[in-house]
Amino acid sequence: GAVVSQHPSWVICKSGTSVKIECRSLDFQATTMFWYRQFPKQSLMLMATSNEGSKATYEQGVEKDKFLINHASLTLSTLTVTSAHPEDSSFYICSALWGDTQYFGPGTRLTVL
Amino acid sequence: GQQVMQIPQYQHVQEGEDFTTYCNSSTTLSNIQWYKQRPGGHPVFLIQLVKSGEVKKQKRLTFQFGEAKKNSSLHITATQTTDVGTYFCAGKLSFGAGTTVTVRA
Repeated sequence: GAVVSQHPSWVICKSGTSVKIECRSLDFQATTMFWYRQFPKQSLMLMATSNEGSKATYEQGVEKDKFLINHASLTLSTLTVTSAHPEDSSFYICSALWGDTQYFGPGTRLTVL
Repeated sequence: GQQVMQIPQYQHVQEGEDFTTYCNSSTTLSNIQWYKQRPGGHPVFLIQLVKSGEVKKQKRLTFQFGEAKKNSSLHITATQTTDVGTYFCAGKLSFGAGTTVTVRA
């Protein structure tokens, strides 16, 4: 149990375009999901906390207008990177909270050309 | 804000040897989690510690939560090649920098 999926697993896009990443809890309902960003050989940096039915809570320094988060159901949260730039290239990982344990998705590698 | 520090950043171990990675928080934690991320993979939950002084074991892995609930350790005995990866501790959604473990046969 406690499986989290992410789609797509990798994406390449042009500068200026927007990219949507989906995070789904497959066998449980998650009121709370988290979005992280991980640079190569670095740790996970929390970007925002996604709460079903309400606005996401963004960490300091994360632009909410650039990283749009929608948590429309108990099993799906989406992260949209708007007007992507090469510096947005990174590994984005979501996690879903079940009880008091986070279960991570497999991640999405975004490359912006 | 809260910071979770982890040392060492890299651990190169001879197969069969033991090693320990340490995690320290600037504030008291209600609980602490440990994750393992294999190269190219995503973090996988290993364990959560909640009680002061708690010790939990998973086969060759021993996890400990400090009495003051501000530090934790992960000790691996008889390291195997399957132990390769980066081990992260996390408290209150703040992740340590991780300890990247490599093993020489």
